[in-house]
Amino acid sequence: EIVMTQSPVTLSVSPGERATLSCRASQSPSSNLAWYQQKPGQAPRLLISGASTRATGIPARFSGSGSGTDFTLTISSLQSEDFAVYYCQQYNNWPWTFGQGTKVEIK
Amino acid sequence: EAQLVESGGGLIQPGGSLRLSCAASGFTVSSNYMSWVRQAPGKGLEWVSVIYSSGSTRYADSVKGRFTISRDISMNTLYLQMDSLRAEDTAVYYCARVAAGDLDYWGQGTLVTVSS
Repeated sequence: EIVMTQSPVTLSVSPGERATLSCRASQSPSSNLAWYQQKPGQAPRLLISGASTRATGIPARFSGSGSGTDFTLTISSLQSEDFAVYYCQQYNNWPWTFGQGTKVEIK
Repeated sequence: EAQLVESGGGLIQPGGSLRLSCAASGFTVSSNYMSWVRQAPGKGLEWVSVIYSSGSTRYADSVKGRFTISRDISMNTLYLQMDSLRAEDTAVYYCARVAAGDLDYWGQGTLVTVSS
């Protein structure tokens, strides 16, 4: 099983600032890496698939990068609606696995 | 637009059974891979099961032998039959459409509470 480790657990950021979230895999998932956003009481929403491809309707301020075992989600200028929990997921190896999440909170 | 609506959650005693449903609209369940993901209270996401368009299925080790994923083509609905439920199965259960392995559409979730 590929173990996904996200850091930091909590990220405190001021509106308008840049946020950088990390996801490290215990072995390479190739580019089969997705990012999701989840707000309280809501289902997760797909942001990024294939490590760097934005899903339909996702603003350009969200970008994904990385390769091998290290991946990054960057939010270029945080808006109020971006404060949420973010999860990475690998879908290269069975079972598909999620990271434990990074909470982005208002500083 | 694709939409998924879960139902069937509730309070159930340990050892009991429950069947969750996920009604789809805007796309055909049987032409897609479909999955169940759960989230225990205050915890992260855990993938539970997937059914391929071929009908083949896979399960997380934590539910293998107890849960069964299935679909009804005529109803365009996904199911999760949960037997021998345990306290640790308490969670919000989401159904989701699988794209390439990423999950591009999610339902709103249904809460299952296993408690005496």
